[in-house]
Amino acid sequence: DARVTQTPRHKVTEMGQEVTMRCQPILGHNTVFWYRQTMMQGLELLAYFRNRAPLDDSGMPKDRFSAEMPDATLATLKIQPSEPRDSAVYFCASGQGVSTDTQYFGPGTRLTVL
Amino acid sequence: RKEVEQDPGPFNVPEGATVAFNCTYSNSASQSFFWYRQDCRKEPKLLMSVYSSGNEDGRFTAQLNRASQYISLLIRDSKLSDSATYLCVIDTGRRALTFGSGTRLQVQP
Repeated sequence: DARVTQTPRHKVTEMGQEVTMRCQPILGHNTVFWYRQTMMQGLELLAYFRNRAPLDDSGMPKDRFSAEMPDATLATLKIQPSEPRDSAVYFCASGQGVSTDTQYFGPGTRLTVL
Repeated sequence: RKEVEQDPGPFNVPEGATVAFNCTYSNSASQSFFWYRQDCRKEPKLLMSVYSSGNEDGRFTAQLNRASQYISLLIRDSKLSDSATYLCVIDTGRRALTFGSGTRLQVQP
């Protein structure tokens, strides 16, 4: 049963610290998405990649967030420095084909910045 | 106007009831439509795609109304296990899908 995996599942850190979240997409999927979900804003798209190339990161605060795909089996989302307002659940999703096709979500990383 | 709008609910219904949710969208050129389900503290999961001709999967029926720019989800014979948040997901002309903020359903015994 292929699924998207994310690590860590939970992260508590202090303001100013660097946070790195990792995602392993489903093997063979060529599109990877990063989302952030909060009670206030719902699910927001931060960035996405197709064939490892970043296609859209307009939803991401550029000064502190960065997203990369060093290879086809790993996507990373980094926050440096972290702030309390970054507290949220960060989901990675992957899909095949174009970016408007079905997406499969990982279990998320629940981030708390104190 | 938001690109994708949903009534946040909650919809509180008794077991066995029929319940329907609508979701409106602003881009008339949208081509892809989905309903996802999200359980509390879990990830969203695809429930069903929505086709122009409508589609049915067991107790769930999804329909698309292009003229009025909305999609709907009908759940018949509600079960306790149907309690979740239902996310409307639409291609709004951006390069990726847009997720609605969700409609919460609570099925009560």
